[in-house]
Amino acid sequence: GEDVEQSLFLSVREGDSSVINCTYTDSSSTYLYWYKQEPGAGLQLLTYIFSNMDMKQDQRLTVLLNKKDKHLSLRIADTQTGDSAIYFCAESPRDSSASKIIFGSGTRLSIRP
Amino acid sequence: DVKVTQSSRYLVKRTGEKVFLECVQDMDHENMFWYRQDPGLGLRLIYFSYDVKMKEKGDIPEGYSVSREKKERFSLILESASTNQTSMYLCASRLAGPTSYEQYFGPGTRLTVT
Repeated sequence: GEDVEQSLFLSVREGDSSVINCTYTDSSSTYLYWYKQEPGAGLQLLTYIFSNMDMKQDQRLTVLLNKKDKHLSLRIADTQTGDSAIYFCAESPRDSSASKIIFGSGTRLSIRP
Repeated sequence: DVKVTQSSRYLVKRTGEKVFLECVQDMDHENMFWYRQDPGLGLRLIYFSYDVKMKEKGDIPEGYSVSREKKERFSLILESASTNQTSMYLCASRLAGPTSYEQYFGPGTRLTVT
């Protein structure tokens, strides 16, 4: 079945890099996503990667996709206090109706001074 | 910018009450979704709709129903609220089609059933 797994918590020191990992099960997924949820807010798309890519970089964000292991990671360089949030990994299975997206449980990133 | 709005940010209801959660999007999206978010469980899909008057059950539809009479509006209904429906409810919308990749979310409604 469809499943996306990620760890629940990550704590990093301000200025260090944060790496959030995720595994997914559907190898047919067209897109893989990272969404960010700040306290009291809905989810906002942070970045996404198309399934035929291995890496995508966008300023401080680097997404790595290992299709063989069905592993997705998000690296945030020079982590700042404003990066404190819950980060959701998600996949979009190719055969899903109505463009369904499957979300992981979310990783809460906290920043230590 | 796409905007998805939800009728309430916070709601407190009593057990057995009928509850309506409203969601409106302004970008003419075909697809709309209702999720509930619980700590450690992520987002779970309750219902989705791919067109006016069309709906499909998601992963946890029990205890819920939905209504989509107009393209921009998708309502979630709790026919008889129970305490285990205390949760954060998130609405989302998305354009149909294989090139559409982003799902846009509303700010959420935190529902407490006492």
